[in-house]
Order: sequence, then C-alpha cells, then structure tokens
Amino acid sequence: ETGVTQSPTHLIKTRGQQVTLRCSSQSGHNTVSWYQQALGQGPQFIFQYYREEENGRGNFPPRFSGLQFPNYSSELNVNALELDDSALYLCASSQAQENEQFFGPGTRLTVL
Amino acid sequence: AQSVTQLGSHVSVSEGALVLLRCNYSSSVPPYLFWYVQYPNQGLQLLLKYTTGATLVKGINGFEAEFKKSETSFHLTKPSAHMSDAAEYFCAVSDLRRGGKLIFGQGTELSVKP
Repeated sequence: ETGVTQSPTHLIKTRGQQVTLRCSSQSGHNTVSWYQQALGQGPQFIFQYYREEENGRGNFPPRFSGLQFPNYSSELNVNALELDDSALYLCASSQAQENEQFFGPGTRLTVL
Repeated sequence: AQSVTQLGSHVSVSEGALVLLRCNYSSSVPPYLFWYVQYPNQGLQLLLKYTTGATLVKGINGFEAEFKKSETSFHLTKPSAHMSDAAEYFCAVSDLRRGGKLIFGQGTELSVKP
C-alpha cells in the first residue's frame, strides 16, 4: 500500500511568483486536506477536498486555491507569493468515514 | 469553535524517566482527539487517537493518553523515555464532519537526555 506522497520536496520562489504543489493520496482515500506549517508552529488548516469538491476552508486568502482530480490526487496553488508563505506544506488523505488523516512528508517552500 | 492548548513548548526528560506532555482542548461538540509526532524534516505520524468509547487510549511506541472530559484534557504519557522519542509532538482536535479538519496545538518539543 502506497502512502501519501508530495512533490516537490523543496522549492524556492521569489515574491510575486506562483507555485503549484502536488499530492497523491493513499490508496482508497477520497479526502485530501492541506495544511501550512510555519517554522516553530503547529500546522494550520488551509482547505479540504472531498470527491473533487472543496469541503471546508481555513482562514487563508483566495490566492490559496486547490483542485482534486478524479483519482483523488490534489494540487495546492498559491498566487502572488509573499515572504510569509515560506513554510512546510503538508498534505493529508483520509477515508471520509474514518476521520483519520495520513500525512505526507511535506513540501518545503521558501519565498525570497 | 475548537482549539487546543499545549502546555510547555519544550519538555526535557532523562532516558528512562516518565514522559508527560500536556494538552487541553476546547470544543462545543464531542471531540475527536489526536496526538501526532514529527521528526525533523518529516511529516506527521499518528501516535494515537480518541474518538468514542474507552477513555484510555494506547498508541504506538508505548505511548498512551487519557481523555478526561471534566478536565477537557488529553495528556500524553510514556512510562520510560527512550532517546528515539526526541521529536516534536502535536495534539489536535477535530470536529465530527466527514474527514473533519484538524486543529493543532503549537507543539511540544521533547528532548531526552542520556
């Protein structure tokens, strides 16, 4: 059974650029959640996708957007990058009914 | 609204000593509660969870936690610390919606001295 995978591992961008992060969910999981973890902080919920539809959103501006595909993989897009967007971005997948989320290793984004 | 407070951003214990990491939560609905561990430059690994039923929950690596509704607490314990337990620990609460979002505490860094 393949776990949650994320790509790329690391990414360096400059202010104002756009970035796309990718996540492949664990086999059999139909729900994907994205979290932002700033240095020294706990993860903060960005949004969740269930069966290709957004199913809840945290306190993040609209320049954070996402997609979920028919195979339940997902993308996180961030436009107009700001320095404060530098963080570890974590993807987690789950089976809706079980409510247990399995996390990927994360993508480390650095904005210069 | 839900929230989590972890008491103590850093905890240091000697190898073989008791580990106690404190977590208090706030929730207007019956909570699901979780403890995750994060090793440097890695994602989060689930240690244990409480959903319903038995309030003493056993997890991996010898950890356990007890849900105390009256105290709104979910403290993590391990009788004897091992060097490999050194990591960041996060307590989280979730609502009951399907796949509900996790709300994390700020984390507690556990150091284990030889």
